[in-house]
Amino acid sequence: EDKVVQSPLSLVVHEGDTVTLNCSYEVTNFRSLLWYKQEKKAPTFLFMLTSSGIEKKSGRLSSILDKKELFSILNITATQTGDSAIYLCAVTGSAGGTSYGKLTFGQGTILTVHP
Amino acid sequence: DTEVTQTPKHLVMGMTNKKSLKCEQHMGHRAMYWYKQKAKKPPELMFVYSYEKLSINESVPSRFSPECPNSSLLNLHLHALQPEDSALYLCASSQERQGSYNEQFFGPGTRLTVL
Repeated sequence: EDKVVQSPLSLVVHEGDTVTLNCSYEVTNFRSLLWYKQEKKAPTFLFMLTSSGIEKKSGRLSSILDKKELFSILNITATQTGDSAIYLCAVTGSAGGTSYGKLTFGQGTILTVHP
Repeated sequence: DTEVTQTPKHLVMGMTNKKSLKCEQHMGHRAMYWYKQKAKKPPELMFVYSYEKLSINESVPSRFSPECPNSSLLNLHLHALQPEDSALYLCASSQERQGSYNEQFFGPGTRLTVL
């Protein structure tokens, strides 16, 4: 059974701090790892990673995947109160050979950024 | 149009009621998903439709009945639910292309309460 473990489960920081969120996984026929941000409602897509060692960046957020060690990290620099959310890591494996795969989520990291 | 919409936003129903949740996307995605999310837990996959055909049913009880009338619409019919079915129901969609890895985009969800 596919498994995704995130750490820490919760994190409290002050504005301006840098945070690193961790995600380790075990999945059959790995296809991709995705990061989502969830505030009050739907998860919002952040990154999709398929290749090892290639950093993806979007503003203050960046992420990298290590397929050998089966983990990914999400970095947020110069945190703001608007970064407060649950950050979900999910992986997809192949499902019957088609490309959509099944998303298996980790339990999430609750990030709280204080002013 | 780059969003997934869901109606209603909130739904309260009794255990003997029949109701339906609706999901729509106009991104040309051919894979659509239903997830259930309980408080402080990650989303759990319920169903996957690919090209309007049900391709994954994660052993969901028959009181939940999905339907995909066309490539843009996904319904979830509810009948004889239990209070423990109260949750946030999320719809998602993704591209469906052989050999490519596709991120899922989520709708805002329907908050369901079963009395």
